[in-house]
Amino acid sequence: QVQLVQSGAEVKQPGASVMVSCKASGHTFSNYGISWVRQAPGQGLEWLGWISLYNGKKTYAQKVQGRVSMITDTSTNTAYMELRSLRSDDTAVYFCARVEGENEHNRFDPWGQGTPVIVSS
Amino acid sequence: DIVMTQSPDSLAVSLGERATINCKSSQTVLYTSNKKNYLAWYQQKPGQSPKLLIYWASTRESGVPDRFSGSGSGTDFTLTISSLQAEDVAVYYCHQYYSVPITFGQGTRLEIK
Repeated sequence: QVQLVQSGAEVKQPGASVMVSCKASGHTFSNYGISWVRQAPGQGLEWLGWISLYNGKKTYAQKVQGRVSMITDTSTNTAYMELRSLRSDDTAVYFCARVEGENEHNRFDPWGQGTPVIVSS
Repeated sequence: DIVMTQSPDSLAVSLGERATINCKSSQTVLYTSNKKNYLAWYQQKPGQSPKLLIYWASTRESGVPDRFSGSGSGTDFTLTISSLQAEDVAVYYCHQYYSVPITFGQGTRLEIK
């Protein structure tokens, strides 16, 4: 059974960085991509970007471009998202989700359980 | 960017009755070369991550009850729950994966009347 398990909750000060991990099990890591999505408290879903586990190609949302980095470690089947220069409006639950195929144009399934990130002084 | 607009924002339906949620995209999400609509629907219950229900606008994900169905093409789409069950209380999101940036509808909250 395909499963994505994310790292635990984080509390950060404004200006700091956070790294969230997403470990995959139950499928061949290299045949898919990982998208990252966040959900601010009581709000909807916002796509942050995608990374191919096939060739490392990345696409970032313009809103976080320059502050976000996405990488993968194929030896451990783990994807990582780093967000820098954190602001209070980065407070959200961050999700990873598997994307079938070699590009970002496909459904998200499954999703990780979510990682709450709180940015507060 | 493709803007996804869902209607209504919230909906209350009696148990056993039909629930219908609409999603309209600001541009087509139909890829003419393969005739696929790049549109999915998700269910999110409180404190949980979203769960895929429907993809390619009308293909039901394995294990999803057949009371859930998706329809539509181009810019107008519908998620229908044919006979509402108590466990269907959730927020539902449409999602276009036709173009970057990937975007979602604002969500529709479904409750029991």
